[in-house]
Amino acid sequence: AQSVTQLDSHVSVSEGTPVLLRCNYSSSYSPSLFWYVQHPNKGLQLLLKYTSAATLVKGINGFEAEFKKSETSFHLTKPSAHMSDAAEYFCVVSVMNRDDKIIFGKGTRLHILP
Amino acid sequence: NAGVMQNPRHLVRRRGQEARLRCSPMKGHSHVYWYRQLPEEGLKFMVYLQKENIIDESGMPKERFSAEFPKEGPSILRIQQVVRGDSAAYFCASSPFDIGADGYTFGSGTRLTVV
Repeated sequence: AQSVTQLDSHVSVSEGTPVLLRCNYSSSYSPSLFWYVQHPNKGLQLLLKYTSAATLVKGINGFEAEFKKSETSFHLTKPSAHMSDAAEYFCVVSVMNRDDKIIFGKGTRLHILP
Repeated sequence: NAGVMQNPRHLVRRRGQEARLRCSPMKGHSHVYWYRQLPEEGLKFMVYLQKENIIDESGMPKERFSAEFPKEGPSILRIQQVVRGDSAAYFCASSPFDIGADGYTFGSGTRLTVV
């Protein structure tokens, strides 16, 4: 069975400081892992994805995530937060086989303090 | 609460036919999103609708694709004159007005195969 846990429902950081959004997963298969961002009145936007290649994945807008199999984690980071990063972030496990499975985390709301 | 219901679960169409994918949002949710997923590609946003309104269709192909969310009944994603490249899994999600923890729910998807 697959599952995703986003450990924080809300994270607040000051502008210019690092961002860390935590995600742990479990999967019986070799999963693909994703981070998505959602701004108000918009659909999801893909930030980055891990699909069994390099464990350190670089995404858009300066975000990156590291796949750590031993810790079953896929935390999202950014060195320096910007006001425009304020949004909802979702960690996702996807298994594409005969029965497509897509498991979303519950989301983390990122607040950027001026 | 039955959650987000999508049907059919699997749909096979010949090239040139029309495909209709249905999505019934969770009770109380008035916002519907459609996504397409190709293997190992992740979800790609297509369209965001509220009842009788298209809010954001920036991800929809300009031709052959249309979506609606009528006042009564499910949201429909319609693909006319399907081609092989339309083969994918299509996911629908619904939400209440405020997105937040527990606020965003996906259906199980419709796997479209064009032969």
